[in-house]
Amino acid sequence: EIVMTQSSLSLPVTPGEPASISCRSSQSLLHSTGYNYLNWYVQKPGQSPQLLIYLGSSRASGVPDRFSGSGSGTDFTLKISRVKTEDVGVYYCMQGLQTPYSFGQGTKLEIK
Amino acid sequence: QVTLRESGPALVKPTQTLTLTCNFSGFSLSTTGMRVNWVRQPPGKALEWLARIDWNDDKFYSTSLKTRLAISKDTSKNQVVLTVTNMDPVDTATYYCARMLWGFGLDFWGQGTLVTVSS
Repeated sequence: EIVMTQSSLSLPVTPGEPASISCRSSQSLLHSTGYNYLNWYVQKPGQSPQLLIYLGSSRASGVPDRFSGSGSGTDFTLKISRVKTEDVGVYYCMQGLQTPYSFGQGTKLEIK
Repeated sequence: QVTLRESGPALVKPTQTLTLTCNFSGFSLSTTGMRVNWVRQPPGKALEWLARIDWNDDKFYSTSLKTRLAISKDTSKNQVVLTVTNMDPVDTATYYCARMLWGFGLDFWGQGTLVTVSS
């Protein structure tokens, strides 16, 4: 089974500043197709999770371009170029390479 | 548009079997590549993937829970059902169903249903 680790549980950020969230997998998520099966989700307070990034770096429909995903193999990063107050929530990475799928512990983005 | 909605009992007793239904619209589970997953979240804790059923009726389960889980679908009713046997207070959680097309992430989620296990 693949274990997902998010190094920070909490991330205080000033609005307008950039933010970066890291995620590491215990096995490579790089498929033979060349895609990394790594997804990013955000769960805003009181809401269901929503997909931000799939296949490592592709933005889901309707996701602002200030969100970007990068990385390959076992190390991945979600970046927010300029944080807005509406970005508050818990950010999860999830590996979709093989079942059982697995999530990271979540990183709570807070506004300073 | 795509919507999913979970339904089931809000309260179950320890040792009972939980049956949850995911009713969806806006897509068909007979479409090649279509998948429906179940994910749960204990209060204040992280997301946990439980199970997946595919358009071709392939089924996949969490390793730690596989002896207690069963997932099924009724394509004609646009429904996916998850049963969890031998419920325990640690199974108290919000249970979500979510759509996936091939491996492109869980792109649509239901609003979740909170299940409490208590005598």
